Amino acid sequence: AQSVTQLDSQVPVFEEAPVELRCNYSSSVSVYLFWYVQYPNQGLQLLLKYLSGSTLVKGINGFEAEFNKSQTSFHLRKPSVHISDTAEYFCAVNPNQAGTALIFGKGTTLSVSS
Amino acid sequence: GAVVSQHPSRVICKSGTSVKIECRSLDFQATTMFWYRQFPKKSLMLMATSNEGSKATYEQGVEKDKFLINHASLTLSTLTVTSAHPEDSSFYICSARHGQPEAFFGQGTRLTVV
Repeated sequence: AQSVTQLDSQVPVFEEAPVELRCNYSSSVSVYLFWYVQYPNQGLQLLLKYLSGSTLVKGINGFEAEFNKSQTSFHLRKPSVHISDTAEYFCAVNPNQAGTALIFGKGTTLSVSS
Repeated sequence: GAVVSQHPSRVICKSGTSVKIECRSLDFQATTMFWYRQFPKKSLMLMATSNEGSKATYEQGVEKDKFLINHASLTLSTLTVTSAHPEDSSFYICSARHGQPEAFFGQGTRLTVV
């Protein structure tokens, strides 16, 4: 069975500092990987996705993530965060089966302060 | 990206009444829709998977008679919380897929039962 582990439940950082949110997955088959962001009282917005090809993927709002198959990781990074990046971030994996839901990690709360 | 619209964004109802939440895919046909419940500071809990024209598949522990799901068309799924009680108060989110690896999410509905 596939699963997603987000290693940090909360990540506090100062504005303009770099940040990395960690995500590990387990799967016996090829997977598609995603990062979603959720602002308070809103739904989830797709930040970026890895489907195939280059292991470094760039997303919206200056975020990027690197797929590492040997370490089964898909960490999210941003070189310089803003106050507005404060939100909940979810890593997810697609079981690659038609009609099945994405499998989510428990989420990481990113808190950016000045 | 594809747009999923969820309505209403907030609803307050009296204990014992029923509430209907709508989820629409605006610019694509969603063969599969998913309903999630999110508790404060917690991740997403998949409630059910809804396929157009067929009965929804509920996750273990979710009462299908309490949370009625209808997916009558390729662009609309509804979740009805029947005989709502204060413990049903939560944030409900829908998502939709049609062939793509990623899922697109609605804005969420904050349900408060008083």
